[in-house]
Amino acid sequence: EPEVTQTPSHQVTQMGQEVILRCVPISNHLYFYWYRQILGQKVEFLVSFYNNEISEKSEIFDDQFSVERPDGSNFTLKIRSTKLEDSAMYFCASTKRQGSEQYFGPGTRLTVT
Amino acid sequence: RKEVEQDPGPFNVPEGATVAFNCTYSNSASQSFFWYRQDCRKEPKLLMSVYSSGNEDGRFTAQLNRASQYISLLIRDSKLSDSATYLCVVNKIGAGSYQLTFGKGTKLSVIP
Repeated sequence: EPEVTQTPSHQVTQMGQEVILRCVPISNHLYFYWYRQILGQKVEFLVSFYNNEISEKSEIFDDQFSVERPDGSNFTLKIRSTKLEDSAMYFCASTKRQGSEQYFGPGTRLTVT
Repeated sequence: RKEVEQDPGPFNVPEGATVAFNCTYSNSASQSFFWYRQDCRKEPKLLMSVYSSGNEDGRFTAQLNRASQYISLLIRDSKLSDSATYLCVVNKIGAGSYQLTFGKGTKLSVIP
């Protein structure tokens, strides 16, 4: 069964450093998403991406965040200058069509020290 | 009012019990509804979509009441492996919105 994959599983970085989180969505999916979950809190939407552009972004997704689909398979989330409060699990998700079930990757645990 | 509201639990039930979770959502424009389960420090995994007519998948039954903006999940014959946090999720479609909005989840512990 096809799965969303994410790397790395855990990233530790110092405040102010740039990080890139990587995702490989399910191959025939067209819509891609990033969500985050701070420990003990709910899953929160960050951004959606379709047809090589951002479709929607939340208030969390400020100028420090960017997304890219550099090739036909990878989907990345970049945080330019990490802050302590960026520490969270970051989940990538994908879906075939708008409004249908989204499938989540295993997540990247980001720890900012 | 929170966008998606759930009783956080925990629900501690014995094996074999029937347990029901409820969820309310505030945005009447919501058009797709789901239950996901999340194990500790893992990703949300789709359990089932929820349809207006109600739907059943084995021991799991989901119901949607659009008028009351209310979603439910019933688990029959609980197994130890059902222990997890159950996330009520809605998707607002239209006006370019594709995002999923999650509740905080209801924690279920099934006890031997």
